[in-house]
Amino acid sequence: EPEVTQTPSHQVTQMGQEVILRCVPISNHLYFYWYRQILGQKVEFLVSFYNNEISEKSEIFDDQFSVERPDGSNFTLKIRSTKLEDSAMYFCASGTGLSYGYTFGSGTRLTVV
Amino acid sequence: LAKTTQPISMDSYEGQEVNITCSHNNIATNDYITWYQQFPSQGPRFIIQGYKTKVTNEVASLFIPADRKSSTLSLPRVSLSDTAVYYCLVGLMNRDDKIIFGKGTRLHILP
Repeated sequence: EPEVTQTPSHQVTQMGQEVILRCVPISNHLYFYWYRQILGQKVEFLVSFYNNEISEKSEIFDDQFSVERPDGSNFTLKIRSTKLEDSAMYFCASGTGLSYGYTFGSGTRLTVV
Repeated sequence: LAKTTQPISMDSYEGQEVNITCSHNNIATNDYITWYQQFPSQGPRFIIQGYKTKVTNEVASLFIPADRKSSTLSLPRVSLSDTAVYYCLVGLMNRDDKIIFGKGTRLHILP
C-alpha cells in the first residue's frame, strides 16, 4: 500500500532556529496538507497546497511558516524561527482529489528547547 | 462542517464488538459521514465513509439511520491493536476540503 513518508521522525532544535520538515507524498497525488498535533490535543490543520500554491491556510500558519514543493516528489514545511510552542507532531498528508479521504504520514515529532 | 458529538472515551474487552455513536443533528443534505482512526504517535487513517443506511469494509461497518442525525461505527471482535482515537467527521467533503478534527473518541481495549 502506498505511503506518505516523513523525515525526520524526530527533531530537536533550539528556540530561534529554522527547521525544515520533509514529506514525500504518494506519487500520483495532487493535493498536499500539513497538520500538527500538540501533545494531548487535537489534530490541527495548518495549510493545504495544490498546483504549486497554497490553497488554504489556518491562523496558525503565520509568517514564520512556509511550504514548498521543490521538485516532483518532496513537500516541505519550514519554520523560520522556532518557538517553544511549536513543539508538536507535524503530519503531512496527500490526496488524489478523485475520492474523499487522504493519506497521512507517520509524522515528525518536533521538540523546541 | 457540521458539528459532531461523540463520547470522549470508551473501554471494551478483546473479542467484543464495539459501537461508537456520533451525533450530528445539523447534517446537511449533501453531507457525508466519515470516520478516521489514529493510533498513538501515528497520523490519522481513513476508515470508512457513508451517506445513508449501511456501509461495510474490511475494517468496520457504518450504520446510518434514515434521518441521518447520528451514525454508529461498529468494530467487530476488537483486539488490543484497535486501541486508538476514532474521529467522526461530517461535511460536504469536496475533493480538496481540509479535514477539521474534533477531539474524537479514545477507545481503550482491555485484555
